[in-house]
Amino acid sequence: DAGITQSPRYKITETGRQVTLMCHQTWSHSYMFWYRQDLGHGLRLIYYSAAADITDKGEVPDGYVVSRSKTENFPLTLESATRSQTSVYFCASSESPTTSGRKGDTQYFGPGTRLTVL
Amino acid sequence: AQSVAQPEDQVNVAEGNPLTVKCTYSVSGNPYLFWYVQYPNRGLQFLLKYITGDNLVKGSYGFEAEFNKSQTSFHLKKPSALVSDSALYFCAVRDSMNTGFQKLVFGTGTRLLVSP
Repeated sequence: DAGITQSPRYKITETGRQVTLMCHQTWSHSYMFWYRQDLGHGLRLIYYSAAADITDKGEVPDGYVVSRSKTENFPLTLESATRSQTSVYFCASSESPTTSGRKGDTQYFGPGTRLTVL
Repeated sequence: AQSVAQPEDQVNVAEGNPLTVKCTYSVSGNPYLFWYVQYPNRGLQFLLKYITGDNLVKGSYGFEAEFNKSQTSFHLKKPSALVSDSALYFCAVRDSMNTGFQKLVFGTGTRLLVSP
């Protein structure tokens, strides 16, 4: 049971370059999320998706683009990386909130990608 | 809008002693509350959640949390700490009135250090 995986685990890039972070889940969860983790801020939601081809902005979406052509994949793209986007990025997934027993309220996280923008 | 406060950046406790990691919240309606733990270089792992019902919630690894509506708190507790409990702990809240997307709001985290 692979669960939720992220790649790469570590990435160093330069200002202005495009970077794509990958997220893959094997549970067929309908919901997927991207967070960034920064000291003093905890986790902040960047984008989320309720299903394939349905995405919406979170708290800090500027400078990021997402897509979800397949249920299991939710890539995050930094179109032109900036130093302020140096962070640890976490992908998460959950069942639908309409799932019985409120299983959909629990999000499950990937191992993270540490991104450094020079 | 919902918010979460974890007033302590770090909690130090000796192995075998009880531990408490504090969390207070603010929501418009009834809260859904969560605790997650993060070990070094790992993602967040779900520990426990309060949705409704019994105010004392039991979770993984011997942890429990008590929901206190009057104090708007959801403190994480464990009767006897282990060195292996040393990690970063996050409290999170979702407003039950938000029936659309499941936007969780996380606290800034509390580092727990358990000394041998």
